[in-house]
Amino acid sequence: GAVVSQHPSWVICKSGTSVKIECRSLDFQATTMFWYRQFPKQSLMLMATSNEGSKATYEQGVEKDKFLINHASLTLSTLTVTSAHPEDSSFYICSARSGGGNEQFFGPGTRLTVL
Amino acid sequence: AQTVTQSQPEMSVQEAETVTLSCTYDTSESDYYLFWYKQPPSRQMILVIRQEAYKQQNATENRFSVNFQKAAKSFSLKISDSQLGDAAMYFCAYRSWGGANSKLTFGKGITLSVRP
Repeated sequence: GAVVSQHPSWVICKSGTSVKIECRSLDFQATTMFWYRQFPKQSLMLMATSNEGSKATYEQGVEKDKFLINHASLTLSTLTVTSAHPEDSSFYICSARSGGGNEQFFGPGTRLTVL
Repeated sequence: AQTVTQSQPEMSVQEAETVTLSCTYDTSESDYYLFWYKQPPSRQMILVIRQEAYKQQNATENRFSVNFQKAAKSFSLKISDSQLGDAAMYFCAYRSWGGANSKLTFGKGITLSVRP
């Protein structure tokens, strides 16, 4: 299957700082990318959907000014957590789908800890 | 809006035995996809099996098979000859048929443990 990578795999930052997480599709063009948040032992919660070259569509209750998503190319999307606070600590997962594909491929996730 | 329900939070199975994980969903659509994903301790999401709603035949992938009952809106996963590596969290998911941006709707998940 296709491969999606995320970087970094884990990050620790101080409260008030910003953190950027990268998501790359390594061997296919991802026309649509999805960003999820997952707390321990819970399900994946969709944060936003992005298409290459367009503004992301955020789910209800997700602050778009806090979670900045950029999908500048067909192989790269970034999630920036701005002014991070301890309650933003979570596991963030990206997923990508090609235009003609039915399957959605998941990255390995990024564990964010805000001190 | 579509909903996916996994009512059992945890299950346990003896190695080499068979276990069935339950999932129900609610939708007014006639065409859609259903999925089972596995999330092991590494937390990498792995697609286990996919079912297109228009197909009457139940999907099978090696030791994994589904019982898809469209009228009852039920989509259970059967794992045969359970192995220690099957221990993971399993999520049932629904996706609408059309649209590049159609989203996956996940159930709450079930934690499966395998006893040696």
